[in-house]
Amino acid sequence: GESVGLHLPTLSVQEGDNSIINCAYSNSASDYFIWYKQESGKGPQFIIDIRSNMDKRQGQRVTVLLNKTVKHLSLQIAATQPGDSAVYFCAENIASGGSNYKLTFGKGTLLTVNP
Amino acid sequence: NAGVTQTPKFQVLKTGQSMTLQCAQDMNHEYMSWYRQDPGMGLRLIHYSVGAGITDQGEVPNGYNVSRSTTEDFPLRLLSAAPSQTSVYFCASSYDRGTEAFFGQGTRLTVV
Repeated sequence: GESVGLHLPTLSVQEGDNSIINCAYSNSASDYFIWYKQESGKGPQFIIDIRSNMDKRQGQRVTVLLNKTVKHLSLQIAATQPGDSAVYFCAENIASGGSNYKLTFGKGTLLTVNP
Repeated sequence: NAGVTQTPKFQVLKTGQSMTLQCAQDMNHEYMSWYRQDPGMGLRLIHYSVGAGITDQGEVPNGYNVSRSTTEDFPLRLLSAAPSQTSVYFCASSYDRGTEAFFGQGTRLTVV
């Protein structure tokens, strides 16, 4: 079946470095994508989203890039801090058309920031 | 705002017991959903609702029931608990299908 997946299950970086977390999606009908951060023992927390009519979106220290040609999504974190250590999930949805609501999550990438 | 509130935070059940996981949101969101999270499996959609009185199945609905009598509440019922239902359960709500989902803090359920 169609699913959202991640290239790297774990990522270890040094404090201050930039981090890049990747995600591949296979549903070409998906038009809305979200990145979530989940700290241990907590629920997923929204980081940033992007719609399919955009290639790039920036937030505070985070940038999401969307490449629809190869169905690839990435999350860039600038100047990574120890507080960024968490599991990061990408999720996809079809926001327009149809009656189903199916926010589909990837399996997650564990980001570890070394001081 | 409290956001999405789940109760209880922890629960231990014996095989065959039934229980209801509660979820409430105070953001007047139409969309609500339940996920389970297992190690290495990410979050999988159990059931969802697009408004009061409307529910539908997700990816892994077997063994669970839901109802949506009000906009605020979306309880998840385990009819006869099985060890395979040991998991962390998350409730989420969103304004519509094209906006981010807000998650509760989760319910850690163990079935023995």
